[in-house]
Amino acid sequence: DADVTQTPRNRITKTGKRIMLECSQTKGHDRMYWYRQDPGLGLRLIYYSFDVKDINKGEISDGYSVSRQAQAKFSLSLESAIPNQTALYFCATSGMGDYGYTFGSGTRLTVV
Amino acid sequence: SQQGEEDPQALSIQEGENATMNCSYKTSINNLQWYRQNSGRGLVHLILIRSNEREKHSGRLRVTLDTSKKSSSLLITASRAADTASYFCATDKGGSEKLVFGKGTKLTVNP
Repeated sequence: DADVTQTPRNRITKTGKRIMLECSQTKGHDRMYWYRQDPGLGLRLIYYSFDVKDINKGEISDGYSVSRQAQAKFSLSLESAIPNQTALYFCATSGMGDYGYTFGSGTRLTVV
Repeated sequence: SQQGEEDPQALSIQEGENATMNCSYKTSINNLQWYRQNSGRGLVHLILIRSNEREKHSGRLRVTLDTSKKSSSLLITASRAADTASYFCATDKGGSEKLVFGKGTKLTVNP
């Protein structure tokens, strides 16, 4: 099994729909992150969490919310999806003092 | 906003040649990391260099860091077709412990 699992792998949704992207990890890490990747723009941080009770906004949090259900689970929600949220979404984890991130395989989201 | 900026945006070389990618950043850092991404897949951590280090090696990878110029380079020696991927630098902007990624260099290694 992958260290960081993202579901679904691909999703097409309609404008205005609520959608949740899920992430679970088996690394035992406290820190989890959500990034989105757009062509030519690299990765941009949406939200991050350093432990279960800690949630922080990243660079581009508008239109998104997150929930840290457990140390191993961190979900990202789009409350009302819009077409410019079409992107590749990545979840990542890291351990304290171990700055290398472990990424999931990504969720390709298309909003039509 | 992007902290790291890679240069060049795209690089095409022949198998066996060396590939050099550069990264510049703007603010102080505790460490700089390089990641690799195969097309549409998740990023894979390659190497981390701390601000008090000047050079680091891992297999065919060599990373340098010049904090006075706020720049880093990633050298892949004796490249292989399997090295074809996008390479990203990432910094912990101001030691914040959350990474800021550049836009990446797309490397193509031709057989």
